[in-house]
Formats: sequence, C-alpha cells, structure tokens
Amino acid sequence: QLQLQESGPGLVKPSETLSLTCTVSGGSMSSSNYYWGWIRQPPGKGLEWIGSIYYSGDTNYNPSLKSRVIISLDTSKKQLSLKLSSVTAADTAVYYCAGPSSRWPLEYWGQGTLVTVSS
Amino acid sequence: EIVLTQSPATLSLSPGERATLSCRASHSVSSYLAWYQQKHGQAPRLLIYAASNRATGIPARFSGSGSGTDYTLTISSLEPEDFAVYYCQHRSSWPLTFGGGTKVEIK
Repeated sequence: QLQLQESGPGLVKPSETLSLTCTVSGGSMSSSNYYWGWIRQPPGKGLEWIGSIYYSGDTNYNPSLKSRVIISLDTSKKQLSLKLSSVTAADTAVYYCAGPSSRWPLEYWGQGTLVTVSS
Repeated sequence: EIVLTQSPATLSLSPGERATLSCRASHSVSSYLAWYQQKHGQAPRLLIYAASNRATGIPARFSGSGSGTDYTLTISSLEPEDFAVYYCQHRSSWPLTFGGGTKVEIK
C-alpha cells in the first residue's frame, strides 16, 4: 500500500510562498484514472481540501485558494508538490498529502506537517 | 460547491453504546461519499467509501448507509478507541468538500 511523507519548512513569513513536497513509496503514481491531493487543517479546526492533480497533470483547486495555489507531480521522483503564494496567518495549518487506491481517491494520507506563518 | 453538513457536532456516549452520525449534502452526491476517523494528533483514516463499503482493516462495527443527499455512519457498539472526530467527504464533483466533523466523546 502507498506510504506518503510530507516535507518542507515549518515556518514561513507572511507574503512569502509556502512550498511542500510529498514523497510517495510503496506504489505507482502512474494510473491515469486516479488523482492525488493536498488537504489542510488549521489548528483546532476541520479539514479543507486544497486541490488535486491527475497523472496527466490536470488539476482542480479549491475556488477559495485557486489564485494562490499550484500543485504539481513528478512521477520520476515519486513526488507531489504544493506551492501556496502570498501566505498570511490564516494559512497556518497542518498540511496533508493524500493518494489513491482503486477504492477511493484519498485513501492514503501522510502524517501531515505543521506550517506556521509568522514573521 | 456541495456543502456537507454533519450532525450532531458532538455526541456524548458511553462505551458499548450505539453511535449514529449524520452527513447531509446540499445536492445529491450519488453515494460518492466517504467517512474518515481522526484521532488527536493523527492523520484522518478512511473508514467507509462509496457510502457503505468498509475500507481495508476496518472493524465490522462500523457501517455506512444512505443515498442522494443523506448519509449515516453507525458504530454499533463503541469501543474505547472509537472516541474521535469523524468527517464525511464527497467526490461527486469539483470542488471536493468535507463536512465540519462530529466529535464522539466519552460521556
């Protein structure tokens, strides 16, 4: 089964760009039918879908974040990436990457990484 | 955007009791609905997918039902490890959305 691990800076300054990487092991990223995703969770709050990407590179984003988000896939490195620009304190959250099975698109999740936006 | 509304926000029950959690969608999600369990400090874990199918390794005390706009997660007899927050999520259309969550706490 898939295993996912997020990595990246734990502290980002306001107005800068948050960049995270998700490294995938234990499976293939090459299925054209499935998509990968990023989800976040502000401290003490619920889950918010950020966006998803297919193997083809086609993406879908949360409308509330669409102007600031880029998600990309590097299948040769087995990595999923997230870039969120012009961050504010409201972007402070645990960021999760998630991957598919044949049963459900977001079956497997990484452990999450806390990103704090602060000067 | 399809809005998922979960109720109740908090459910206070004792071990051994039955838990019934609700997820109502603003438009039909055609059974493209999942339930996740999240314990404190952990990532969500998939419990139920496509409304009524248990994910791998999920105990039989967890069951899902529903169609159209109304879905239910039932835990037939609460075990101590079941006290957690539960989220529903749809994949019927873009954007994907999650419900606000139901916290199942020990009474």
